[in-house]
Amino acid sequence: DGGITQSPKYLFRKEGQNVTLSCEQNLNHDAMYWYRQDPGQGLRLIYYSQIVNDFQKGDIAEGYSVSREKKESFPLTVTSAQKNPTAFYLCASSISITGNTIYFGEGSWLTVV
Amino acid sequence: AQSVTQLDSQVPVFEEAPVELRCNYSSSVSVYLFWYVQYPNQGLQLLLKYLSGSTLVKGINGFEAEFNKSQTSFHLRKPSVHISDTAEYFCAVRRSNFGNEKLTFGTGTRLTIIP
Repeated sequence: DGGITQSPKYLFRKEGQNVTLSCEQNLNHDAMYWYRQDPGQGLRLIYYSQIVNDFQKGDIAEGYSVSREKKESFPLTVTSAQKNPTAFYLCASSISITGNTIYFGEGSWLTVV
Repeated sequence: AQSVTQLDSQVPVFEEAPVELRCNYSSSVSVYLFWYVQYPNQGLQLLLKYLSGSTLVKGINGFEAEFNKSQTSFHLRKPSVHISDTAEYFCAVRRSNFGNEKLTFGTGTRLTIIP
């Protein structure tokens, strides 16, 4: 089945550690996105990528980094510079940056312990 | 820039009763509008979208929404809800003439169905 796979589903991080969330899609989509979801705040865009080897900052990029070395993969690293990383992270993709339908993965919970 | 407001953070409804989830947007230009549903601990799934044409849009699971340009609204409705409709619902907007602009999401409405 085509879709977006995020892993791990649950991740615990000690303060000061970097962690990487995986996102893989087999939809042949050019555009990929990372959102952060906090209760009562909806979804906020962290980074997005229009095409391989290109990515742009979203609204809350500080403390995060991404790479887009392959079309199907868009991993997100939460660095120690992110002061409040505990949240639900959603990866998404669309056929292109102008595509009107965005497809989401199942999400990853990150908790700082 | 555009914005979207979901005034109701939580809506409790009895099973088989009708429901309306409100969404208002702000934009000085034409927009595309979307409703997404999120079941617990899952990603978002597209319910329906308005791009152009008929202002009444039908989506999955018996939901529909009506685009009202004069009131800048895109309220989501269902005539009879089921327990399985318990979820969080997000309204989203994007300006139609700005090709690479990203979606702006509302803060969500949690729909709880009471048996």
